[in-house]
Amino acid sequence: KQEVTQIPAALSVPEGENLVLNCSFTDSAIYNLQWFRQDPGKGLTSLLLIQSSQREQTSGRLNASLDKSSGRSTLYIAASQPGDSATYLCAVWGAMNFGNEKLTFGTGTRLTIIP
Amino acid sequence: NAGVTQTPKFQVLKTGQSMTLQCAQDMNHNSMYWYRQDPGMGLRLIYYSASEGTTDKGEVPNGYNVSRLNKREFSLRLESAAPSQTSVYFCASSESSTGWPTDTQYFGPGTRLTVL
Repeated sequence: KQEVTQIPAALSVPEGENLVLNCSFTDSAIYNLQWFRQDPGKGLTSLLLIQSSQREQTSGRLNASLDKSSGRSTLYIAASQPGDSATYLCAVWGAMNFGNEKLTFGTGTRLTIIP
Repeated sequence: NAGVTQTPKFQVLKTGQSMTLQCAQDMNHNSMYWYRQDPGMGLRLIYYSASEGTTDKGEVPNGYNVSRLNKREFSLRLESAAPSQTSVYFCASSESSTGWPTDTQYFGPGTRLTVL
């Protein structure tokens, strides 16, 4: 059974700092990995989707990397802003899920940017 | 474009009551999904639909039924609500033609359901 872990559960950093969020998964046979953000009381917003053949994806100040062999992904946020405060979730779709087609979600890292 | 919309936003039920959660998308997506989110457990897939008239079970389907009424709408029904179904329910959609999570999923704002 695929398990996705995000540590730490909560993180606070001063505005302007660069930061890295971590996601680890137990089965490396994945097809893709997605990063989402969730604002309090709101739905999820997709940030980046990395296919298994890719090493990284970039969107603006966000860069996500994928290392399947080590079962890890990182989300790098450059020059953090108060508007980046949210919970960040990663989710993987892998071979273990084939036949039960679903994303396996982590429980998220709650990020607070301190002005 | 409104994206993915869900109604109602909040609902309180008594044990044994029934209700239907509504979801609609205006992005002409093929696949639609229902998830529940519980503290400390992440999101879990309840049911999904790859096209009108087709539905498939996800990870936690017991106690739920779904209907893919047309390409736009996907409803989730609780026939006899139980306290264990207290949760936040999210609908999502994607371009995927198979229902597999091959593409970006777009989520609605959620329904907060409490079963007493």
